[in-house]
Amino acid sequence: DQQVKQNSPSLSVQEGRISILNCDYTNSMFDYFLWYKKYPAEGPTFLISISSIKDKNEDGRFTVFLNKSAKHLSLHIVPSQPGDSAVYFCAASGSGSARQLTFGSGTQLTVLP
Amino acid sequence: DSGVTQTPKHLITATGQRVTLRCSPRSGDLSVYWYQQSLDQGLQFLIQYYNGEERAKGNILERFSAQQFPDLHSELNLSSLELGDSALYFCASSVLTGASYNEQFFGPGTRLTVL
Repeated sequence: DQQVKQNSPSLSVQEGRISILNCDYTNSMFDYFLWYKKYPAEGPTFLISISSIKDKNEDGRFTVFLNKSAKHLSLHIVPSQPGDSAVYFCAASGSGSARQLTFGSGTQLTVLP
Repeated sequence: DSGVTQTPKHLITATGQRVTLRCSPRSGDLSVYWYQQSLDQGLQFLIQYYNGEERAKGNILERFSAQQFPDLHSELNLSSLELGDSALYFCASSVLTGASYNEQFFGPGTRLTVL
């Protein structure tokens, strides 16, 4: 049972436009959400996170939105740059001291020059 | 560079063998997590250690085990290897103090190929 889902395996956008990556979750015990970026042959790199008590968090070109009632979060990248081309993973963490992450399957973002 | 190091980068071995993957967390991080990324699956949580003690287990096979040493580095031992164990194995570390959340920082991974 996939508790974190990224339904779009790939997304292509033009340089300078907005990239919107989506993620849905089913476990209502998740209270912290993160986005990671991954290049081939490298480990995931932390991008941005959001606590369930917020609905928006912004860091430079990256903004994460959380809709708890819909169990949905999204990552907005504005403006998109060719260097943003990578696989983006959504991850969620539940309460409890372990804080292990449950990952989505990833979305390959391609930013076209 | 996340500050998390993993060795070796690549490992090729045969079925039935045993291997050890090593991870050194970021300076100051007490918690180490191991994840597996197979070709057809996303990142799956295997096991977590905090300051030398096992804290949580995920979908880790009985053939796999891990430990965290007093210097906080961790090792993941995989034994009786099968073809299906071929995957990328990532280590991540975080500060993890009390119940507050800390972001996890990932190493570059070890690519294991079982022939």
